[in-house]
Amino acid sequence: EAGVTQFPSHSVIEKGQTVTLRCDPISGHDNLYWYRRVMGKEIKFLLHFVKESKQDESGMPNNRFLAERTGGTYSTLKVQPAELEDSGVYFCASSLRDGEGHEQYFGPGTRLTVT
Amino acid sequence: GEDVEQSLFLSVREGDSSVINCTYTDSSSTYLYWYKQEPGAGLQLLTYIFSNMDMKQDQRLTVLLNKKDKHLSLRIADTQTGDSAIYFCAERENTGFQKLVFGTGTRLLVSP
Repeated sequence: EAGVTQFPSHSVIEKGQTVTLRCDPISGHDNLYWYRRVMGKEIKFLLHFVKESKQDESGMPNNRFLAERTGGTYSTLKVQPAELEDSGVYFCASSLRDGEGHEQYFGPGTRLTVT
Repeated sequence: GEDVEQSLFLSVREGDSSVINCTYTDSSSTYLYWYKQEPGAGLQLLTYIFSNMDMKQDQRLTVLLNKKDKHLSLRIADTQTGDSAIYFCAERENTGFQKLVFGTGTRLLVSP
């Protein structure tokens, strides 16, 4: 069974540009999460999809971040326009369901560098 | 709000036991997790413990949970150089949402 995949693995952009990160969850997982780790600090939650619906977006830092999960399969996270403080590693995770199947499995992350 | 704390660094010798500690603040946490991150890799789920348990053992890994003190630990027996990595503990709040709250991670260095 393929794990969570993310693309690209690394992105370097200039301040003010736009970047779109993609996450493909484990097949059949209804839940998809985005997290990020900035400057070696703790990993912070961004948002949670259940299928195509946003269940919890309390961690989204501001309106420069837009996440979508059309069709309830893969998800994209767009940053527009990017700022220097957006640099970090963006992780995606998925889980089967709540209760049994609660375990969140993470992808390898996308390292975003804004210069 | 929730807060999870870990010591930043631990150094052990190969063959010794490693104990990585974590404290959390949300007494209503349902699950507590340990993840491992090797250099250049993503987060690997190592194990988890449900909040009504005190201990869970899985091969070389032992998780201890002290709910009274809100303290979680991960013991790795017979630590190997391949265990060198960053270890994150995470709690899941009991609010109906499923987000994880992570600690800053403990870097484990195993020397031969």
